[in-house]
Amino acid sequence: QVQLVQSGAEVKKPGASVNVSCKASGYMFTGHYIHWVRQAPGQGLEWMGWANPKTGATRFDQKLQGRVTMTTDTSISTAYMQLSSLKSDDTAVYFCARDYFGSGRVFDYWGQGALVTVSS
Amino acid sequence: DIQMTQSPSTLSASVGDRVTITCRASQSISTWLAWYQQKPGKAPKFLIYKASSLESGVPSRFSGSGSGTEFTLTITSLQPDDFATYYCQQYYGSPSFGQGTKVEIK
Repeated sequence: QVQLVQSGAEVKKPGASVNVSCKASGYMFTGHYIHWVRQAPGQGLEWMGWANPKTGATRFDQKLQGRVTMTTDTSISTAYMQLSSLKSDDTAVYFCARDYFGSGRVFDYWGQGALVTVSS
Repeated sequence: DIQMTQSPSTLSASVGDRVTITCRASQSISTWLAWYQQKPGKAPKFLIYKASSLESGVPSRFSGSGSGTEFTLTITSLQPDDFATYYCQQYYGSPSFGQGTKVEIK
């Protein structure tokens, strides 16, 4: 069965960087984009961007351009999201999600989420 | 950017009720719309794509309709497991979500 298992919670200081991992299993990793979606406490869902495990291509929401990096390691079926220059309003649960159609921007399987807290 | 607006923000209902949630897009998105259900502390669950196509395993009491800029999610007979927050999401352009509709117990 398809599973996405994310790394654990992190506490970071403003200005630092955070790296969240997402290990996929149960399907062909290179066949589906991996998206990242975040959710601030008590708020809605915000799409951050996607990574194509087959080609390494990425695309990000323009609000995050310059601060976010998304990579994949096909040898271990794992995707990574790094966010730098953290601010307090980056405090959120970060989800990875598989693209249902491969590259269609609909999300069928989700990781359990990783809480990132930014606090001095 | 395409803005998605859901109404109502909160909906109080009883088991067995018919429930309808509306989602409006700031521009036409054809039928490139998905719906998700989220329970507290959990990841969203994928329900519907292409406005009205039910994902495998989703109960048939859930249905979606609409095209262009106006869409609805209907639950025909609300069950205890359905109390949750529901989000619409467009995928015509870069993905964006509605702000969510919380379905709570009346």
